[in-house]
Amino acid sequence: GENVEQHPSTLSVQEGDSAVIKCTYSDSASNYFPWYKQELGKRPQLIIDIRSNVGEKKDQRIAVTLNKTAKHFSLHITETQPEDSAVYFCAASTDFNKFYFGSGTKLNVKP
Amino acid sequence: GAVVSQHPSWVICKSGTSVKIECRSLDFQATTMFWYRQFPKQSLMLMATSNEGSKATYEQGVEKDKFLINHASLTLSTLTVTSAHPEDSSFYICSASVSQGKSYEQYFGPGTRLTVT
Repeated sequence: GENVEQHPSTLSVQEGDSAVIKCTYSDSASNYFPWYKQELGKRPQLIIDIRSNVGEKKDQRIAVTLNKTAKHFSLHITETQPEDSAVYFCAASTDFNKFYFGSGTKLNVKP
Repeated sequence: GAVVSQHPSWVICKSGTSVKIECRSLDFQATTMFWYRQFPKQSLMLMATSNEGSKATYEQGVEKDKFLINHASLTLSTLTVTSAHPEDSSFYICSASVSQGKSYEQYFGPGTRLTVT
């Protein structure tokens, strides 16, 4: 199946700074890439996603970029706030249905 | 929005017993349901894909006879951990997939924390 790698595993930033999380995938057939935010003991929540026919997507302070040639995609959070602190997971889907997740990034935003 | 529930939210069982976890889509019919396992501070590992009325498809390395999945209706899937052992202790999360035009979105349940003593 698909192999998704995610970096860094932990990320600590000062409030107001930007945070970038990167993922690579192995299956060139993957065409849907969601990002999830998970707070401790809670379910993952979709925060943004991108499809393979788009290179970039933005939603307020959150943006995702996709490079199909290099098979990597990134999550960008600007003007970080303490409530952004959580674990973030990227995922790749080969058929818009089955998701394979990255290993997660624990983001800590220091006030 | 789409709501997925899981029951129980947490369960403690003795080694050797079986535990059933339910996953329900409350306000929609799910095309497919998925079961994931998450160890502390680790990622979600896809265990199996469950389609209503058919046998579940298990990921490589997941024991079919140990993790029994039944998908009785478009709104209910169950995962039974048979002959549980301490190493089966984990956070089990289901998700339900619903079509959004040409793509699908997955909605996650709140998870079930299983502790095997």
